[in-house]
Amino acid sequence: SQLAEENLWALSVHEGESVTVNCSYKTSITALQWYRQKSGEGPAQLILIRSNEREKRNGRLRATLDTSSQSSSLSITATRCEDTAVYFCATPLYYAQGLTFGLGTRVSVFP
Amino acid sequence: GGIITQTPKFLIGQEGQKLTLKCQQNFNHDTMYWYRQDSGKGLRLIYYSITENDLQKGDLSEGYDASREKKSSFSLTVTSAQKNEMAVFLCASSIVTGKISDYTFGSGTRLLVI
Repeated sequence: SQLAEENLWALSVHEGESVTVNCSYKTSITALQWYRQKSGEGPAQLILIRSNEREKRNGRLRATLDTSSQSSSLSITATRCEDTAVYFCATPLYYAQGLTFGLGTRVSVFP
Repeated sequence: GGIITQTPKFLIGQEGQKLTLKCQQNFNHDTMYWYRQDSGKGLRLIYYSITENDLQKGDLSEGYDASREKKSSFSLTVTSAQKNEMAVFLCASSIVTGKISDYTFGSGTRLLVI
């Protein structure tokens, strides 16, 4: 089973609205990363949040991390059509280099 | 800025065929990775390499070989393509700082086996 997983398969919003994607993970972590993957592209890192951080921002993006509940969220404010993508959370593998990814949440932003 | 280039972008093979996918990066990153992405299954690690000529198995290494010929390139071979197999293979690279790294992914090779 996945060591990190997003809680919803798909979300849709209208442009200008905010959207939040949630993620839960199963092991203790040093950091958690959020990625976005647009159709036909590879994943692109959005935010890396370390285990000693509770919140991290990057422009319209805000990630939170709650190590006690082993959960994280990614919020996007003032969404745009180009935010349409699959959003993944990922955590380091404990037995190797590399990441374990959740299954992803598909976010669709409509005009 | 750097770039990761995967070739080919699309690959159609026949059952039983040996197929090779290539990846090049110009970030001068030490570590490179191959992931497989199936619809509805997220990304799974096949192989990774922490330096030239190094190979480490991931969760999904059976049925694959890999080769890190030089620091900038990492190739993946499907040893015997399975009929109706359809997946995206993603190459990535990173500078490793402990367990925390920034990863950069290529745009993928889309494989279809007929």
